[in-house]
Amino acid sequence: GQNIDQPTEMTATEGAIVQINCTYQTSGFNGLFWYQQHAGEAPTFLSYNVLDGLEEKGRFSSFLSRSKGYSYLLLKELQMKDSASYLCAVSDSNYQLIWGAGTKLIIKP
Amino acid sequence: GAVVSQHPSRVICKSGTSVKIECRSLDFQATTMFWYRQFPKQSLMLMATSNEGSKATYEQGVEKDKFLINHASLTLSTLTVTSAHPEDSSFYICSATPGRDYNEQFFGPGTRLTVL
Repeated sequence: GQNIDQPTEMTATEGAIVQINCTYQTSGFNGLFWYQQHAGEAPTFLSYNVLDGLEEKGRFSSFLSRSKGYSYLLLKELQMKDSASYLCAVSDSNYQLIWGAGTKLIIKP
Repeated sequence: GAVVSQHPSRVICKSGTSVKIECRSLDFQATTMFWYRQFPKQSLMLMATSNEGSKATYEQGVEKDKFLINHASLTLSTLTVTSAHPEDSSFYICSATPGRDYNEQFFGPGTRLTVL
């Protein structure tokens, strides 16, 4: 079966750095996405990785290792507005998005 | 660019009524649109994939007669929840992609449905 695993909840302090991990087992791979979702809102696109390595975009970076079926989202200089759920999704061989359950990130002052 | 709208954003209805939700791509032509449902504190669940001019492909366990999807044009897809019941109360989100490459999905803001 297809499976995406990520921690249910994480807590971090304002100004700090947090890494949210995602491991996946899917039938085929056409890229991995990270989305941010605030409560009661639709997901918003953060990053897309299809090749191994680190993609940096401002305070957010995303890493992929296809051989390990592993990705992480790194958030630097955390702000209170970063409190949200972070969803990992993998595009499988049919280009269907397989979604993780999301990681709820709580930022404390 | 790549804006997707949904209407209504919030709807409350009585049990047994039907509710129509519209999803529009405002600045691009959406070859494919997706409908998701999300229950509180759970991840997105794909309900169906619709291509313009053809019948929607429903995910296993989704009743096609209850959740009617119409993708009549390249900018509009509708989801009709027929004979809604309280267990249908959920957050419904659509997304659209401009090409056959589903890797580029743009999400609408979602519709909160509450069935009394």
